[in-house]
Amino acid sequence: QQQVKQSPQSLIVQKGGISIINCAYENTAFDYFPWYQQFPGKGPALLIAIRPDVSEKKEGRFTISFNKSAKQFSLHIMDSQPGDSATYFCAASNAGNMLTFGGGTRLMVKP
Amino acid sequence: DGGITQSPKYLFRKEGQNVTLSCEQNLNHDAMYWYRQDPGQGLRLIYYSQIVNDFQKGDIAEGYSVSREKKESFPLTVTSAQKNPTAFYLCASSIGGADLSNQPQHFGDGTRLSIL
Repeated sequence: QQQVKQSPQSLIVQKGGISIINCAYENTAFDYFPWYQQFPGKGPALLIAIRPDVSEKKEGRFTISFNKSAKQFSLHIMDSQPGDSATYFCAASNAGNMLTFGGGTRLMVKP
Repeated sequence: DGGITQSPKYLFRKEGQNVTLSCEQNLNHDAMYWYRQDPGQGLRLIYYSQIVNDFQKGDIAEGYSVSREKKESFPLTVTSAQKNPTAFYLCASSIGGADLSNQPQHFGDGTRLSIL
């Protein structure tokens, strides 16, 4: 019930393309869904987060789409750049429970 | 600059040895966390602390121990009881309070532990 499943494990996108990473969860009590970005040799950094009262949140080129009925949420990176090449983690939590992370997606954006 | 400092960046351990990983923060955060990162498995919570002199087990606490004697510091000891300690260890902090579930976590740059 605490698991968050993330796909794909790796993704290659051409510069300027759209990168899409998907996550699915089982625990309907989850009410906070952040995405973290991690560059090699560094710790993750919070990228963007959403709560289930909205279906979409956009910050610059990064958008989270949330589908409560399907228990899925996704990260879209528009106009992907080589500097976006990193590992992305989705996560979920609710009051009284700590963050549960997905397995990560390694994104490579080719110039 | 406020942040989290983990040291050392690389650490090697012989079989049967305990090793301690350092984590210091100057963000004035009450809550601190330790995660283990393995390829393809995301981050798994080892221990967390909501306040000085208090800490709680996470999902994979067996073979690890922590202390929280100062607000700024949350060292992790990997004991000889941890059968598969080779991993990337990440320390994080957040503002703290009663409910930690929706707080942004700030991470250090990790310590990579390897067994000789």
